[in-house]
Amino acid sequence: GDSVTQMEGPVTLSEEAFLTINCTYTATGYPSLFWYVQYPGEGLQLLLKATKADDKGSNKGFEATYRKETTSFHLEKGSVQVSDSAVYFCALSGGSNYKLTFGKGTLLTVNP
Amino acid sequence: DGGITQSPKYLFRKEGQNVTLSCEQNLNHDAMYWYRQDPGQGLRLIYYSQIVNDFQKGDIAEGYSVSREKKESFPLTVTSAQKNPTAFYLCASSIEGRQDEQYFGPGTRLTVT
Repeated sequence: GDSVTQMEGPVTLSEEAFLTINCTYTATGYPSLFWYVQYPGEGLQLLLKATKADDKGSNKGFEATYRKETTSFHLEKGSVQVSDSAVYFCALSGGSNYKLTFGKGTLLTVNP
Repeated sequence: DGGITQSPKYLFRKEGQNVTLSCEQNLNHDAMYWYRQDPGQGLRLIYYSQIVNDFQKGDIAEGYSVSREKKESFPLTVTSAQKNPTAFYLCASSIEGRQDEQYFGPGTRLTVT
């Protein structure tokens, strides 16, 4: 079945540092890929998405590129802020189309 | 403002009691979903509904029940048969044909003692 593996956290960075959170997936066919963000005590918000190979999703300074050859969708940001502290989830939507398959989440803490 | 409302934010129950979690959306979305979130586990799908009066089991439906009598509402009942009910429960919705892009509510944290 479909699965998503993302790097285990927690990840702790200083403000303005470069962020990478790795995500790889296993799926049949050509899934859509997503990054969701969950701020403390809240639900999930869609951060960015990519629907086909080589697409780059971007939002709020974050970006991720759909790499079919390496089955990856790594999240990057050039300069993180304290307000980026949250849990980040990588997810995919496969052929069944009714559900999202999530990774376990990566907690990011950014210190001033 | 359109969105998804879950209430209450925190819920406490004694073991052996059934409890119903509310989820309401005014986005005019056809599909609605319930997820359970445990620390370090990601999200797991409990039930989903693509249309009024119809719903399907997700990956971990045992011990839960749902109804979908109105398009706007998708309540989840955690029954006494659920062995580990303490968790954070998230409701989501999506438009028809876009089940891959779901919008989430703020969640309800259920504690059963």
